[in-house]
Amino acid sequence: EPEVTQTPSHQVTQMGQEVILRCVPISNHLYFYWYRQILGQKVEFLVSFYNNEISEKSEIFDDQFSVERPDGSNFTLKIRSTKLEDSAMYFCASRSGTIETQYFGPGTRLLVL
Amino acid sequence: AQSVTQPDIHITVSEGASLELRCNYSYGATPYLFWYVQSPGQGLQLLLKYFSGDTLVQGIKGFEAEFKRSQSSFNLRKPSVHWSDAAEYFCAVGAQAAGNKLTFGGGTRVLVKP
Repeated sequence: EPEVTQTPSHQVTQMGQEVILRCVPISNHLYFYWYRQILGQKVEFLVSFYNNEISEKSEIFDDQFSVERPDGSNFTLKIRSTKLEDSAMYFCASRSGTIETQYFGPGTRLLVL
Repeated sequence: AQSVTQPDIHITVSEGASLELRCNYSYGATPYLFWYVQSPGQGLQLLLKYFSGDTLVQGIKGFEAEFKRSQSSFNLRKPSVHWSDAAEYFCAVGAQAAGNKLTFGGGTRVLVKP
């Protein structure tokens, strides 16, 4: 069964460094998402992406964040200058159509020191 | 704005007993509703979903949920829990707008006693 994959599974970085989190959505899916879950808190929406542009973003998704679909398979989240409070599990999700289910990847646990 | 409330932060249940997890949502139109499960250190796995039609939906692992519009609820049930059901359960509502983001509840952590 097709699944969303994410790399790396864990990443440790120093405050102020740039990180890129990578996702490979399910191949025929058209809509892509990033969510995050700070330890012990609820899963929060960051951004949705369709047709090579952002369709919606939350207030969390400030200028330090960017997303890109550099080729036909990858979907990336970049944090330009990480802060301690960016430490969280980041989930990528994708869906095929207008009302179809979002399928989540296993997540990348980011720790900013 | 859409929102989801899961009133129970923790639930402890004995193996073999029934389980019900509560979920209340706030959304202006007909919602798309989901239950996801997250095992420790794992990602989010879809248990079941409601888009329209029959208000009682069946999911994987023996779970079911009932959509009650009058109560703005989408409670998850399982008649007999197994030790492997110990996990965190998240209810989510999806918007009908183009982005279709999901808004999650705070989650309910289920502990299963032998």
